[in-house]
Amino acid sequence: EPEVTQTPSHQVTQMGQEVILRCVPISNHLYFYWYRQILGQKVEFLVSFYNNEISEKSEIFDDQFSVERPDGSNFTLKIRSTKLEDSAMYFCASSTSAGRVYQPQHFGDGTRLSIL
Amino acid sequence: RKEVEQDPGPFNVPEGATVAFNCTYSNSASQSFFWYRQDCRKEPKLLMSVYSSGNEDGRFTAQLNRASQYISLLIRDSKLSDSATYLCVVNEGDGGSQGNLIFGKGTKLSVKP
Repeated sequence: EPEVTQTPSHQVTQMGQEVILRCVPISNHLYFYWYRQILGQKVEFLVSFYNNEISEKSEIFDDQFSVERPDGSNFTLKIRSTKLEDSAMYFCASSTSAGRVYQPQHFGDGTRLSIL
Repeated sequence: RKEVEQDPGPFNVPEGATVAFNCTYSNSASQSFFWYRQDCRKEPKLLMSVYSSGNEDGRFTAQLNRASQYISLLIRDSKLSDSATYLCVVNEGDGGSQGNLIFGKGTKLSVKP
């Protein structure tokens, strides 16, 4: 069964440094997403991406965050200057969509980001 | 503010028991509804979509009440492997958005031998 893959599985970074989290969505999917989950809290939407541009973003996704699809397969999340509160599990997801009824999103196994 | 509310549990049940989870959602424009399960420190995995007429997948039955904005999940003959956190998930808006998901905090289920 096709799956979303994410690398690295764990990233440890000093505060203020830049990090790039990588994702390879399922190959025939058109919609891509990033979510995060702070330990013990619920999963929160960050950003959605379709047709090579951001579709929507949450208030969490401020100017420190950016996303890119540099080639036909990778989808990346960059945090320019990390803060302690960026420590979380970051999940990439992808889906197809059929009209007004959205197909389920399939999640990668996440990158655990630890900011020191 | 768009929210999904769930009883956090934990629900501690013996093997073979039937257990039901409920959730409510605040956004009446939501069009798509799902149950995901999440094991400790793992990614959410789709359990089932929830359709307006209700649907069943083996031991799992999901119901949707749009008027009350209420979703339920019933697990019959529970197994040890059903132990997980069950996430009620709705999409944020109607066809004008890209289906960003709003997650509940989850209901923790622990099935005991």
